[in-house]
Amino acid sequence: KAGVTQTPRYLIKTRGQQVTLSCSPISGHRSVSWYQQTPGQGLQFLFEYFSETQRNKGNFPGRFSGRQFSNSRSEMNVSTLELGDSALYLCASSLTSGASGTDTQYFGPGTRLTVL
Amino acid sequence: SQQGEEDPQALSIQEGENATMNCSYKTSINNLQWYRQNSGRGLVHLILIRSNEREKHSGRLRVTLDTSKKSSSLLITASRAADTASYFCATGVAGNKLTFGGGTRVLVKP
Repeated sequence: KAGVTQTPRYLIKTRGQQVTLSCSPISGHRSVSWYQQTPGQGLQFLFEYFSETQRNKGNFPGRFSGRQFSNSRSEMNVSTLELGDSALYLCASSLTSGASGTDTQYFGPGTRLTVL
Repeated sequence: SQQGEEDPQALSIQEGENATMNCSYKTSINNLQWYRQNSGRGLVHLILIRSNEREKHSGRLRVTLDTSKKSSSLLITASRAADTASYFCATGVAGNKLTFGGGTRVLVKP
């Protein structure tokens, strides 16, 4: 099976712009989670979608949003970019909803966003 | 905020030696997972240990979990240069939300 894919891999934006990142999960996986990784804050959970519904949300401002489509592909959007949004954004997919225990997450290669 | 703390933050060993890293966490969990990351790339899942398990093995990896102390350890035996990476523990409390520790950077010298 193909792994988790993320596009684009690299992105450079300027402050105030908005950006959309895309994630295609492993075939058959219905849960997609997003994480932000920075040198200062480490890996932080953004949100999780399962069957097109947001199930969990991390402690991020409303500028960060996401959605999931019927084919389980997911997008996250960051509006009004700030310098501090520069990070590696990682997407992970899981087979189950985690209702019986947190499922193994399979991560994509990430999108490295640089905000100038 | 991070659920766990990892110790040490960095580790340098010779090829063939064992590497041990520890993870402590704060709240009750349903499982704990270990991941590896090479040079800012995606994370690779190594092992999942459930809260009712005490020890688990996978190849050269051995993970222990002590829920009374809220701690876990990852042992890599007979390390190789290819094991050079950052290792993260992550706890699952509810759903598929993982809370990661700060990671341990491991350098295996040939």
